[in-house]
Amino acid sequence: DAGITQSPRHKVTETGTPVTLRCHQTENHRYMYWYRQDPGHGLRLIHYSYGVKDTDKGEVSDGYSVSRSKTEDFLLTLESATSSQTSVYFCAVSQGVNTEAFFGQGTRLTVV
Amino acid sequence: ELKVEQNPLFLSMQEGKNYTIYCNYSTTSDRLYWYRQDPGKSLESLFVLLSNGAVKQEGRLMASLDTKARLSTLHITAAVHDLSATYFCAVGAQGTALIFGKGTTLSVSS
Repeated sequence: DAGITQSPRHKVTETGTPVTLRCHQTENHRYMYWYRQDPGHGLRLIHYSYGVKDTDKGEVSDGYSVSRSKTEDFLLTLESATSSQTSVYFCAVSQGVNTEAFFGQGTRLTVV
Repeated sequence: ELKVEQNPLFLSMQEGKNYTIYCNYSTTSDRLYWYRQDPGKSLESLFVLLSNGAVKQEGRLMASLDTKARLSTLHITAAVHDLSATYFCAVGAQGTALIFGKGTTLSVSS
């Protein structure tokens, strides 16, 4: 257990509303990631962070922003949710950028 | 751009038989990871392969890495129902976060 907590675990929201997902870790991993998982697509990287206030885009970053103001917290924000953002979102952490990653329990987001 | 391809994407297995899943990737890397995911659950790390020729085994599963061919295989020996899950490979290339394949869903029937 890498001490990763995602919140909320489930959320239903309306199109056009802002949504923020939180990832909290307790083991001081330098890198934190947000992935989304959709049938037929596997896991796709949204954004990742390599330190406090240091973030970079992944392959599906459009419509998402992130922030990391503390080592332990990594927030994913959907500024204006769309139905195409209905997905399961996983947070992951690792010590190095391409080292073994450990995953949170996931957040199931439904945009109606 | 690093691309990771798994095949097959679905595998219906009979108990007691052997099977192999393949993971191909497009750029140079010597770091490859296998994960397991049960339905509705998170991903669990299975194997970490960090060099050419690396081989790891756990129970009925054995993973190997050929960095020259840019290929990893996950071999299943004498499949049992408990192995039913989705298996992902993930590749770490220089300076990039892990890129995942689409996953292979295994179903074992008697």
